[in-house]
Amino acid sequence: GAGVSQSPSNKVTEKGKDVELRCDPISGHTALYWYRQSLGQGLEFLIYFQGNSAPDKSGLPSDRFSAERTGGSVSTLTIQRTQQEDSAVYLCASSQTGVGDTQYFGPGTRLTVL
Amino acid sequence: EDQVTQSPEALRLQEGESSSLNCSYTVSGLRGLFWYRQDPGKGPEFLFTLYSAGEEKEKERLKATLTKKESFLHITAPKPEDSATYLCAVQANSGYSTLTFGKGTMLLVSP
Repeated sequence: GAGVSQSPSNKVTEKGKDVELRCDPISGHTALYWYRQSLGQGLEFLIYFQGNSAPDKSGLPSDRFSAERTGGSVSTLTIQRTQQEDSAVYLCASSQTGVGDTQYFGPGTRLTVL
Repeated sequence: EDQVTQSPEALRLQEGESSSLNCSYTVSGLRGLFWYRQDPGKGPEFLFTLYSAGEEKEKERLKATLTKKESFLHITAPKPEDSATYLCAVQANSGYSTLTFGKGTMLLVSP
């Protein structure tokens, strides 16, 4: 079946602009995660959605970052007033139920802030 | 705070030269330890999940083992196509199900 998809694959923006990154999880997966991978760093957890529960936003680095998940499926990560330090690869993952399940990753969106 | 440390940061092997990658972890209570492979420009690809000390899993030339403090990814007779970054992550058995990742080991296998 289809895996996790993300769009766009690459995004170049100017400092101060807002960007939206999209994630389509595997069909039927109730849990969805966003991670950030910066050069030389490990994957950093950003936010987690599980079904209709309130999301775990504990990993968001600042209030410029927000995410939503509509209809329990597609998710959008929004970064407002982008800064150069936001440049990274943003990865989305989904899992069947969340707890203990394998997380399957999408190909990522490479964000470059000039 | 959960922590994962991978070593070495980079490893260069000749084709057929077996070796091991290390993942040391500290976690309040381990729900699972995950190994992923990541090729340049791609997302991590799932390899194994280990749940308890003493557990082992194998896939082709790869074998993952787990103790209470660390995990090893053994690569037997590697081929150039095994070249990738290998990531280790832990999931705690408390709180939410997010993963804490190490920085990875970049493996290069030369023909």
